[in-house]
Amino acid sequence: AQSVAQPEDQVNVAEGNPLTVKCTYSVSGNPYLFWYVQYPNRGLQFLLKYITGDNLVKGSYGFEAEFNKSQTSFHLKKPSALVSDSALYFCAVRDRGSTLGRLYFGRGTQLTVWP
Amino acid sequence: KAGVTQTPRYLIKTRGQQVTLSCSPISGHRSVSWYQQTPGQGLQFLFEYFSETQRNKGNFPGRFSGRQFSNSRSEMNVSTLELGDSALYLCASSPGLVDTGELFFGEGSRLTVL
Repeated sequence: AQSVAQPEDQVNVAEGNPLTVKCTYSVSGNPYLFWYVQYPNRGLQFLLKYITGDNLVKGSYGFEAEFNKSQTSFHLKKPSALVSDSALYFCAVRDRGSTLGRLYFGRGTQLTVWP
Repeated sequence: KAGVTQTPRYLIKTRGQQVTLSCSPISGHRSVSWYQQTPGQGLQFLFEYFSETQRNKGNFPGRFSGRQFSNSRSEMNVSTLELGDSALYLCASSPGLVDTGELFFGEGSRLTVL
């Protein structure tokens, strides 16, 4: 069965410092990997995805993620955090053999960036 | 281009009632998926529709159903509501059924069951 783990419920970081939100997955084959962000009382917004190729992918708002096949991880990173980055972040995977709408999500990590 | 539109945004029902939620996808998108988000269970996949046909289904009881119309708009229905059905229901659309793209989510319909 497919599963996604976000080991930290909360991540706190000072503005200007680098941030990392961790994600590991257990999926058969080579899945597609995604990061989404959710602001309070809003839907999910797409940040970035890994399909194939370079292990470091860049996305919206200065975020990037590093895919590590041997560790089955897809950690989200940003070199310099902003207070406005405070939100709930979700890692998701999709089996390459599945339909586009079938994502498996992690439980989410609440990121708080303090001034 | 307008985003994914979900209506209503908020609603309150009582146990035993039924509810219908609506989703209008981004213009040109033909695939619509539904997710339930709760604090306890997180984001769980309900079902996916493409060209008016259900293409994929999650592990939910038969009280949860959906449909898609010829204009790609979708509705989901929950019958005989239970307290545990209180959740944010998210709809997402995509242009096709099988490709490398991402989902575009609406802002959700927050259902409270009393």
